[in-house]
Amino acid sequence: DIQMTQSPSSLSASVGDRVTISCRPSQTIYTYLNWYQQKPGKAPKLLIYSVSTLQSGVPSRFSGSESGTDFTLTISSLQPDDFATYYCQQGYSTPWTFGQGTKVEIK
Amino acid sequence: DVQLFESGGGLVQPGGSLRLSCAASRFTFSSYAMSWVRQAPGKGLEWVSSISASGGTTYYADSVKGRFTISRDNSKNTLYLQMNSLRAEDTALYFCARGNPIFDFWGQGTLVTVSS
Repeated sequence: DIQMTQSPSSLSASVGDRVTISCRPSQTIYTYLNWYQQKPGKAPKLLIYSVSTLQSGVPSRFSGSESGTDFTLTISSLQPDDFATYYCQQGYSTPWTFGQGTKVEIK
Repeated sequence: DVQLFESGGGLVQPGGSLRLSCAASRFTFSSYAMSWVRQAPGKGLEWVSSISASGGTTYYADSVKGRFTISRDNSKNTLYLQMNSLRAEDTALYFCARGNPIFDFWGQGTLVTVSS
């Protein structure tokens, strides 16, 4: 199984901050990398798929990129609505696997 | 907007069975693969199973293979998950999601609790 390791597990940030979350797969997944946002008590929401394609309706302050073996979710200017847990997920080979999540909290 | 509504969760004893349903609306259900993803209390997301648009191909996580069966009825726009031989570790909120392996819309989930 492909293991997805996110870092950090949690972070505290202020409104307006630039936030980056990393995701490292245990083996090559090419561009089969997706990002989800989940708020407490709610269903996950697809933010970005195939590394960097923004899902329809997702604000442009969210972006995804790849650098070497790592993938990154960036929020360019954190907004109050962005405090949530973020998960990466690989779609290269079954079983599809998720990172353990990164909780973004208010500083 | 796409709508997915799960039902069928509840409290069941270890070794018991449950069948989850996911009613889909506001999209052409028969054109999309569908999936189940679960989340144990306070934990992360775990993919459980997926099924092709026609229902002809299914995929399972090793943790549920042989115990769970995914199916769909395209005439009823409904996805199912038959869960047998349930274990305590199957306790989770079960989400149905559109797509495989990109999950672009999710239902709100149905809670399954396995306990004596």
